[in-house]
Amino acid sequence: GIQVEQSPPDLILQEGANSTLRCNFSDSVNNLQWFHQNPWGQLINLFYIPSGTKQNGRLSATTVATERYSLLYISSSQTTDSGVYFCAVAANTGFQKLVFGTGTRLLVSP
Amino acid sequence: EAQVTQNPRYLITVTGKKLTVTCSQNMNHEYMSWYRQDPGLGLRQIYYSMNVEVTDKGDVPEGYKVSRKEKRNFPLILESPSPNQTSLYFCASSPGAREPEAFFGQGTRLTVV
Repeated sequence: GIQVEQSPPDLILQEGANSTLRCNFSDSVNNLQWFHQNPWGQLINLFYIPSGTKQNGRLSATTVATERYSLLYISSSQTTDSGVYFCAVAANTGFQKLVFGTGTRLLVSP
Repeated sequence: EAQVTQNPRYLITVTGKKLTVTCSQNMNHEYMSWYRQDPGLGLRQIYYSMNVEVTDKGDVPEGYKVSRKEKRNFPLILESPSPNQTSLYFCASSPGAREPEAFFGQGTRLTVV
């Protein structure tokens, strides 16, 4: 099945710093989503981005489908950005199942 | 407000006592799924449904049952829970194959003792 790798696994930032999270996937996809899992365990939708670039406030994401990777940019990080960021994909031939990466654990300190 | 609602949010139960975790969505989505999240294993799909009365196994279906009698509801049933089913469970829904973006419920933290 499709494989999803995220890097880095852990990231510690000072408040105000910028960061880039990466997601590599092994096959063509018809769905790619970025989620933020907050300290209470909730999965918050950040982006639905199977291709192209999107921005939402301090967050933006780019997916290059032909090269099978996606990037999540966090600018001017805040302590509330702390948590785990997941990339999840669904293969063209398995669109009913999201396959999650192992996540990037982000800690933003004041 | 468009949402996926799971209940209960937290549950502690004993081995062998049947339980149901409910999931309801108000977005008229066709697809619904259940996932479990475990440390070191990540999120894995348990079951999915592509429409009413259409369900199929995901990656880890053993010990679980589902039903889809109405479009909005997709309950997860544990007939005889065991400690290895202690986990964080998520229900998700999406419009369908042409619009696959998934939306997740708040999660249900289940402990089986």
